[in-house]
Amino acid sequence: ETGVTQSPTHLIKTRGQQVTLRCSSQSGHNTVSWYQQALGQGPQFIFQYYREEENGRGNFPPRFSGLQFPNYSSELNVNALELDDSALYLCASSPRTGQDIQYFGAGTRLSVL
Amino acid sequence: LAKTTQPISMDSYEGQEVNITCSHNNIATNDYITWYQQFPSQGPRFIIQGYKTKVTNEVASLFIPADRKSSTLSLPRVSLSDTAVYYCLVGDMRGSASKIIFGSGTRLSIRP
Repeated sequence: ETGVTQSPTHLIKTRGQQVTLRCSSQSGHNTVSWYQQALGQGPQFIFQYYREEENGRGNFPPRFSGLQFPNYSSELNVNALELDDSALYLCASSPRTGQDIQYFGAGTRLSVL
Repeated sequence: LAKTTQPISMDSYEGQEVNITCSHNNIATNDYITWYQQFPSQGPRFIIQGYKTKVTNEVASLFIPADRKSSTLSLPRVSLSDTAVYYCLVGDMRGSASKIIFGSGTRLSIRP
């Protein structure tokens, strides 16, 4: 049990729609990172937030955006969904920025039809 | 960017010691080595982290040679529940988050 919770656990959307995924960080952690994991592959880094500011971004288009709130919970928003966006989306919190040890949630499984 | 290379898969039996090696030839001076374990439909779980020589915790040991161009995760006396994917990450703990790279990992299968 990592103390990181994500909602919803599963989601089905159609192409072109928008989706919001939510993450509640472990208590005391001010940094949250989001990852996309396609079936059979390792997690791909999307972006990281530290104290409500973006602190690094992977190779994802601008339609992937995020927010971190004062209580350090976070949202991942994806606009104009494409079929290839179907994946497990993981949220991880850490007590410090950069590549510190991360504590992952169980993820949200997104299916785009 | 320190790229890592791991075997795609490994098989072993219950009670055996398993060693998974990760190559990271262009590791930087400030880089640490971190290993994660992932079960199906779950997020990765931190196993161990080290900088040089040997680190041991209640779950595993991490061996890092002097040149730090590789590292070996050692799992003593594995059980069926150790069947999972294991990822090796290399990077500066205080470095840019955009350098966080998970490879494809090593799929470890433990048989009775």
